[in-house]
Amino acid sequence: QQKVQQSPESLTVSEGAMASLNCTFSDRSSDNFRWYRQHSGKGLEVLVSIFSDGEKEEGSFTAHLNRASLHVFLHIREPQPSDSALYLCAVSASNYNVLYFGSGTKLTVEP
Amino acid sequence: NAGVIQTPRHKVTGKGQEATLWCEPISGHSAVFWYRQTIVQGLEFLTYFRNQAPIDDSGMPKERFSAQMPNQSHSTLKIQSTQPQDSAVYLCASSLDMFSNERLFFGHGTKLSVL
Repeated sequence: QQKVQQSPESLTVSEGAMASLNCTFSDRSSDNFRWYRQHSGKGLEVLVSIFSDGEKEEGSFTAHLNRASLHVFLHIREPQPSDSALYLCAVSASNYNVLYFGSGTKLTVEP
Repeated sequence: NAGVIQTPRHKVTGKGQEATLWCEPISGHSAVFWYRQTIVQGLEFLTYFRNQAPIDDSGMPKERFSAQMPNQSHSTLKIQSTQPQDSAVYLCASSLDMFSNERLFFGHGTKLSVL
């Protein structure tokens, strides 16, 4: 079964400073990667999806995928306090659509 | 489109009681997934259905947990003899087709508290 791990567990950044989150996966056949955000007590909000090596930008969120190294990153440009939330990485293989999630990175953006 | 609807939003049960959680997927979506979220374990896959048929229940605890999808408009997750360690947020999600890259839509979850 797919193993997805995220680091760091928690991250505190100042408002406006770039935030970088890391996700590693175990299944080399994976080709479907998503980053979600979950505010406390709320549902999951998809931020960006990426399916091939390289970068994909959605607003202030940029996903960077390197399948050879089994890594997918999320960079948040100029985060605001409202971006404070739990960020979840999810991975699946296109021929088997179950999304497996990491345990998340809790991001705190200080004013 | 109301999205994926889960009921109830909160459920409190006593140890040993049965809990049934309901999910109404988005109309027209053929794949329905159940996940469980806890602080310690994160978001764990439990089971999923395609066109109402169970496809993979590899994440389901072998005892006390069962899931059904009697029709295309709802799925249930039943937990018999609930235990405190079953306390979690149970999330249901649906997607248009399990073999596409369509977005997976999540409900807001049912928070189960076992006293």
